[in-house]
Amino acid sequence: AQSVTQLDSQVPVFEEAPVELRCNYSSSVSVYLFWYVQYPNQGLQLLLKYLSGSTLVKGINGFEAEFNKSQTSFHLRKPSVHISDTAEYFCAVSGAGGTSYGKLTFGQGTILTVHP
Amino acid sequence: EAQVTQNPRYLITVTGKKLTVTCSQNMNHEYMSWYRQDPGLGLRQIYYSMNVEVTDKGDVPEGYKVSRKEKRNFPLILESPSPNQTSLYFCASSTGTGGGQPQHFGDGTRLSIL
Repeated sequence: AQSVTQLDSQVPVFEEAPVELRCNYSSSVSVYLFWYVQYPNQGLQLLLKYLSGSTLVKGINGFEAEFNKSQTSFHLRKPSVHISDTAEYFCAVSGAGGTSYGKLTFGQGTILTVHP
Repeated sequence: EAQVTQNPRYLITVTGKKLTVTCSQNMNHEYMSWYRQDPGLGLRQIYYSMNVEVTDKGDVPEGYKVSRKEKRNFPLILESPSPNQTSLYFCASSTGTGGGQPQHFGDGTRLSIL
């Protein structure tokens, strides 16, 4: 079984400030990790993914995330946010094998609101 | 343009009236999946399909059916809808079998069951 916990349901931040959205996961097998973004009234778009290799992953729109296996975390960061980053962000995990293969499990979502 | 198309986008219906939400992708993807999104719960997987005629239950399959007779289509069927199935539904697809490949999502279908 696998699960994902996003530690903050809402994160308010001022424009040009840094932001970190926290994600922890649990799984009995190796995992692939993803961050998706959902803008109002739209589907989900992939921000970035971790499959293997370097633990620091860079994505679109200036976002990056770091995979920490010992802490089972995959936190999302951006050094300076814009108003246009206001959206809901989802962390997701997919099992790399076993009975979790092919199943994508999402966290509860974090609403990022960027204020001017 | 590569896309996942869901229809309808919005539907209001009554308890017990069978409905089908269609999903079609034009990327020749093997893997397709259905999710429901509810506030505070994120997205939960309903069913997924590794390929034609191969489907499996996700985390919340009760009250839903799917079929995969063609590679491009993956309809979601609610045989006897109930109010607790009021939700926002997303179809998604990916290459391979959905392990490390990112999923492409449709724009969603908002269902209201009265």
